[in-house]
Amino acid sequence: DAGVIQSPRHEVTEMGQEVTLRCKPISGHNSLFWYRQTMMRGLELLIYFNNNVPIDDSGMPEDRFSAKMPNASFSTLKIQPSEPRDSAVYFCASSIGRSGQETQYFGPGTRLLVL
Amino acid sequence: DAKTTQPTSMDCAEGRAANLPCNHSTISGNEYVYWYRQIHSQGPQYIIHGLKNNETNEMASLIITEDRKSSTLILPHATLRDTAVYYCIVRVVSNYQLIWGAGTKLIIKP
Repeated sequence: DAGVIQSPRHEVTEMGQEVTLRCKPISGHNSLFWYRQTMMRGLELLIYFNNNVPIDDSGMPEDRFSAKMPNASFSTLKIQPSEPRDSAVYFCASSIGRSGQETQYFGPGTRLLVL
Repeated sequence: DAKTTQPTSMDCAEGRAANLPCNHSTISGNEYVYWYRQIHSQGPQYIIHGLKNNETNEMASLIITEDRKSSTLILPHATLRDTAVYYCIVRVVSNYQLIWGAGTKLIIKP
């Protein structure tokens, strides 16, 4: 039974470059979450989709961050241009249900380093 | 959502029961207690959740006090692979938000 799949697992890039993180939720799940984890701030919710529609993007740090969910089995988180302070581990999680209140299952994360 | 208080770190001997406490004295009647853990370099893993009754699954047991102001996660026979940061989260049933604290770093010693 495949869990949440994220790619790449590691990304090293230079400041100013575009970064795209990818997520495939668990089949049948209709809610998807993007989180960011740093030592200083812990785990933070960036954006929440339900049935492919963004419901809450209040956690997206600024306009450099954007997220899309073109279909039920794929989502991307894009940072353009990237900055060193964006270095963090980015997690995708999914759940099944109407409002996202159900148990969330997390992927392995993408470790991003911006030089 | 109510806040939670957990010890920063705990040790437990391999094979023994690990008991992780969580204080949530301001919990409301419609808030569940959730437990997740995060093993080093992995994503958070769901363990168990409950409202007011004690719960048990293949991973752990959750004991919630009668007044619901505190709870204990029990790993009945801890192994080295249970070394992780354990997060206690209180969450309104209709709210998708998980508010993550610092958690308890549990170290299982051989």
